[in-house]
Amino acid sequence: QLVLTQTPSASASLGASVKLTCTLSSGHSSNVIVWHQQQPEKGPRYLMKLNSDGSHNKGDGIPDRFSGSSSGAERYLTISSLQSEDEADYYCQTWGTGILVFGGGTKLTVL
Amino acid sequence: QVQLVESGGGVVQPGRSLRLSCAASGFTFSSYTFHWVRQAPGKGLEWVAVMSNDGHTKYYADSVRGRFTVSRDNSKSTLYLQMDSLRAEDTAVYYCARQVERGVWVIDFWGQGTLVTVSS
Repeated sequence: QLVLTQTPSASASLGASVKLTCTLSSGHSSNVIVWHQQQPEKGPRYLMKLNSDGSHNKGDGIPDRFSGSSSGAERYLTISSLQSEDEADYYCQTWGTGILVFGGGTKLTVL
Repeated sequence: QVQLVESGGGVVQPGRSLRLSCAASGFTFSSYTFHWVRQAPGKGLEWVAVMSNDGHTKYYADSVRGRFTVSRDNSKSTLYLQMDSLRAEDTAVYYCARQVERGVWVIDFWGQGTLVTVSS
C-alpha cells in the first residue's frame, strides 16, 4: 500500500534552517513526490516536484531558500533563513495507479 | 494569470446532493487533467477524484466512489463535481487542482476552495 509518512509538527527559530521529512512506504522508494505549502486560512501552493535522485523543479516564484533532497525512501524539504511567512502546513504528495496520495502534513512553527 | 475559482459550496442536509464548479482561466483548460481534493476542518488533504483532459479517464477515492461524479465542459473551461448521497463526513473545503502533465500526477496549481457543510 502506498503511504506517505510525515512528522506531525516541527519548529525552528526565525532565520534558522529546518528540514522536513516525507517517507515513502516499502516498495515505493523510487516514487517522485511533490511538496505543497498551505499557509493559515489559505489554499495549498505548489512548492516543488522532487525526484528520487534529489533533483527538483520548483514552482514559479518559490524562493531559493526552499530546496529538496532525497535519500532512499526519504524525501526532504529544507527551508533556510526561516521567515515568519514560512509558518504553515507542509504536505507531500505522490501517486500510484489510479490514486493520488498525500502525507498527513507537518505543521511548521517559526519561533 | 492562471486562476481556478471554485463555487457551489454551502450547507446541505445528509442524503441530499450538491454540484461544485471550478472555472479556469489564464491557460488552455482542455490540455490539462484536473483533480478534486478536499480538507475536512482541522484535518489534512484528501484526494477525491481525477479527470483527464479529454474526459475519458476518471478515478475516484474509495470514500466517494459511487456517490460522486466528476465531469468537465472544455468549451466553458469548467470542471464539475456532482456530489450525491452526501454524508456528514463529506464536510470539507473542496479544492480543484491542475495536474502539470499527462501521466505525471503532479499538482502544480490549486484553487482557493469552496466549503461544503453537510448537516441537518
